[in-house]
Amino acid sequence: GQQVMQIPQYQHVQEGEDFTTYCNSSTTLSNIQWYKQRPGGHPVFLIQLVKSGEVKKQKRLTFQFGEAKKNSSLHITATQTTDVGTYFCVNAGGTSYGKLTFGQGTILTVHP
Amino acid sequence: DAGVIQSPRHEVTEMGQEVTLRCKPISGHDYLFWYRQTMMRGLELLIYFNNNVPIDDSGMPEDRFSAKMPNASFSTLKIQPSEPRDSAVYFCASTTWGTSVKDTQYFGPGTRLTVL
Repeated sequence: GQQVMQIPQYQHVQEGEDFTTYCNSSTTLSNIQWYKQRPGGHPVFLIQLVKSGEVKKQKRLTFQFGEAKKNSSLHITATQTTDVGTYFCVNAGGTSYGKLTFGQGTILTVHP
Repeated sequence: DAGVIQSPRHEVTEMGQEVTLRCKPISGHDYLFWYRQTMMRGLELLIYFNNNVPIDDSGMPEDRFSAKMPNASFSTLKIQPSEPRDSAVYFCASTTWGTSVKDTQYFGPGTRLTVL
C-alpha cells in the first residue's frame, strides 16, 4: 500500500501541553489506523478511521480523518508522561488484506 | 488470552552464524506477519502468511532470510548467514477476519537481534 507521510518526526512537549501529529497521503485512503509504541515496546493498536470526516475520541486523544480521506491527525490534550512513545499512522487499505504500511511515526517526548 | 509469543526476546550472535526467530500467533488468527524495525528504516514488513501459506515476501531483504509456517501455531524467521546490518528488532504480528476491527494487528513483544 501507499506509505503515508507523518509530521513532525519528533515532538518535545512539557507535561500538560497539547500535542498533534499529522498524517498525509497523496492518494485516497480506504481506511487508516493509529498505533502507539512505547519505548522498548511493541506497536499497539489505538483506533481505525474509515469514514470521510470521521472524528473519534479516546479520553484525551482525538482522531480525525480528512474529508478527502487523504489526511488524518491525532491530537492529545494535556499530555502526560504516560503519553511518551512513537505514534504511527498506518495505511490499512490496499489490495492485500491485512497488509499494513506504516509511516515513519512521530516520536513524542513529554518533559515532567 | 495469551498474546503473540516470540522467542528469544534477545539474541546476540556473531557474524556468519545462523539465527532462528520464533513466533506463536494468537490462537485462531489465520494471518501472521514478520516485521523488522530499525532506526534508519523504521518498521518494515518482511513477509506475511495466510493459513500457513506465504502470501507476500517482497519485503524479505535477500536470500539469507527465509520464513516458514509449518502449522497454524508456529512460524520461524531464519537468517543464514547473519550480518551486522541484520541487527534490529524483529516483530511478529497476527490477525484474522474475526477481529472486531478489520485488519487490526496484534504484535508480539519482539526479538532484539544483535549481530557482532
